[in-house]
Amino acid sequence: GAVVSQHPSRVICKSGTSVKIECRSLDFQATTMFWYRQFPKQSLMLMATSNEGSKATYEQGVEKDKFLINHASLTLSTLTVTSAHPEDSSFYICSASEQGVVDYTFGSGTRLTVV
Amino acid sequence: GQNIDQPTEMTATEGAIVQINCTYQTSGFNGLFWYQQHAGEAPTFLSYNVLDGLEEKGRFSSFLSRSKGYSYLLLKELQMKDSASYLCAVRPENQAGTALIFGKGTTLSVSS
Repeated sequence: GAVVSQHPSRVICKSGTSVKIECRSLDFQATTMFWYRQFPKQSLMLMATSNEGSKATYEQGVEKDKFLINHASLTLSTLTVTSAHPEDSSFYICSASEQGVVDYTFGSGTRLTVV
Repeated sequence: GQNIDQPTEMTATEGAIVQINCTYQTSGFNGLFWYQQHAGEAPTFLSYNVLDGLEEKGRFSSFLSRSKGYSYLLLKELQMKDSASYLCAVRPENQAGTALIFGKGTTLSVSS
């Protein structure tokens, strides 16, 4: 089945630094990838929709200058959390759907802790 | 707006049957998904309903009533490993590149 590889799985960074999270579709082309954030005991909140070769579409309330999304190829999308603060600490997870397949495949998630 | 409701927590015992309900009010509807998520891990796909009725897959079944905006996930012969969060999600549009909208999840605790 379809596999989405997400790295890193865990990262601890200092406040004010930037962190890049990568998601790769390993055996299919993902024209669109989705980025979600999940706080403890909360559900997945959609942050943005990443489209290959074009600008990402951000959900209301998500700062596009803080959460930079790049989808330069059909198999790779990156999320960069810039100038991270402790309140950005969360579980970030990407997902993609394969053409002709009903369900969505999720990456394994990235636990970001900002200290 | 988009609204998906499901109970926050449920408890059950091994071998029992549990039903997790989900109601939704979304701008559009093109399918309802159920995912299982263990703490700190990615959600894994359980079921998909787009037409009314029951879909059965082993110990798991999912039901949909589009007119009522209602779905449930039925888990039979519960096992300890079924302790997890169960997420109800709706795809609001039938377009490529449509994101799923998730409910807040139901945490199921299975005890012996």
